[in-house]
Amino acid sequence: ETGVTQSPTHLIKTRGQQVTLRCSSQSGHNTVSWYQQALGQGPQFIFQYYREEENGRGNFPPRFSGLQFPNYSSELNVNALELDDSALYLCASSFEAVGTEAFFGQGTRLTVV
Amino acid sequence: AQSVTQPDIHITVSEGASLELRCNYSYGATPYLFWYVQSPGQGLQLLLKYFSGDTLVQGIKGFEAEFKRSQSSFNLRKPSVHWSDAAEYFCAVLKSSGDKLTFGTGTRLAVRP
Repeated sequence: ETGVTQSPTHLIKTRGQQVTLRCSSQSGHNTVSWYQQALGQGPQFIFQYYREEENGRGNFPPRFSGLQFPNYSSELNVNALELDDSALYLCASSFEAVGTEAFFGQGTRLTVV
Repeated sequence: AQSVTQPDIHITVSEGASLELRCNYSYGATPYLFWYVQSPGQGLQLLLKYFSGDTLVQGIKGFEAEFKRSQSSFNLRKPSVHWSDAAEYFCAVLKSSGDKLTFGTGTRLAVRP
């Protein structure tokens, strides 16, 4: 177990709805990264938060947004859900000084119907 | 932009046989290199990592990987595969501390009894 927890574990939403996914980072970690993993693919970087500020973003549209809180937990919000947003969403936490090693949560499986 | 290639999509080996999973990366300098394992429906577990120094790195579960700069490769090996090793394996690179992880598309390992 990595100490990174994500909620919920599974979620079903309808196209056009909005969704919020949550991640609690490992104790002592101040950086959270979010990844989208479509079926049969490797994880794709969405964005990273470092000390409550966005610190890098992948090739995802603005309807993917996030937050990091003072306790370094994080949320991923997706507006106007599309069918292609169905995927496993992974959160990874790390500490800046050893930020080369990220610990992943179990993921949230989002299904858009 | 850095990229990671895992040329084998599926590999099947017999239990007790040796294993080598291939990974090649494309990046001007030597990045940080990782191997992760993912069981069905689960998050990613770090097997091993290479930052610098000895090019042969040992990981958990009896895995090892060798960094070869001349071939831009970081292949994962295990001398004797167990049925519980059946999973998907991802190679990943990190350009620098705090940067995003870039993943390959993964290799799915099946183990024959």
